[in-house]
Amino acid sequence: QLQMQESGPGVMKPSETLSLTCTVSSGSIGAPAYYWGWIRQPPGKGLEWIGSINSGGHTFSNPSLRSRLTLSIDTSKNHFSLRLKSVTATDTAVYYCARHGELDYWGQGTLVTVSS
Amino acid sequence: QAGLTQPPSVSKGLGQTATLTCTGNSNNVGNQGVSWLQQHQGHPPKLLSDRSNNRPSGISERFSASRSGNTASLTIAGLQAEDEADYYCSAWDSGLTTRLFGGGTKLTVL
Repeated sequence: QLQMQESGPGVMKPSETLSLTCTVSSGSIGAPAYYWGWIRQPPGKGLEWIGSINSGGHTFSNPSLRSRLTLSIDTSKNHFSLRLKSVTATDTAVYYCARHGELDYWGQGTLVTVSS
Repeated sequence: QAGLTQPPSVSKGLGQTATLTCTGNSNNVGNQGVSWLQQHQGHPPKLLSDRSNNRPSGISERFSASRSGNTASLTIAGLQAEDEADYYCSAWDSGLTTRLFGGGTKLTVL
């Protein structure tokens, strides 16, 4: 059973860069058939797709975040990562990683709070 | 940005059948598979139906998905108290090359 776990800073200040990593276990992210994705959910709101990446480093991303977003993958460490520049309070959310094609495996999510 | 439209809330009684809808267009719901997710408060979403309208292992047969034109539907038969949750649809948009989510439907079981 594939397991996914996000790790991140918890609290950060406006204008900082958010870095999150999703570590995958009991399965390889090197499998070429899959993309690996990030989704976020502001408190009390719905799901917002951030972007996805495959083992070859090809990415898709939400146009509203694209200018601030970098996605990367390290198959040797079996993890993939997100960097979001210049965060503001509107980036406060629970951030989830998931296996992207079917959204069949999810991490538990990590709350990122942006506050001065 | 175009999205998928879901009714914000649906209320049904115990044992009844609820049908949740998700409306898009020909670039997403109309020609791409739609995933359905269930989310209980404080938990990550869980896949109920994949893009081929198949249930993952362990998902009750009470949940079934279908599509007609640009509208996808999730039917939940024999409603139980544990079905009270938020439900999201999601589909790839081939025109925007982005993944879309619906705004979610809060299902209340009376």
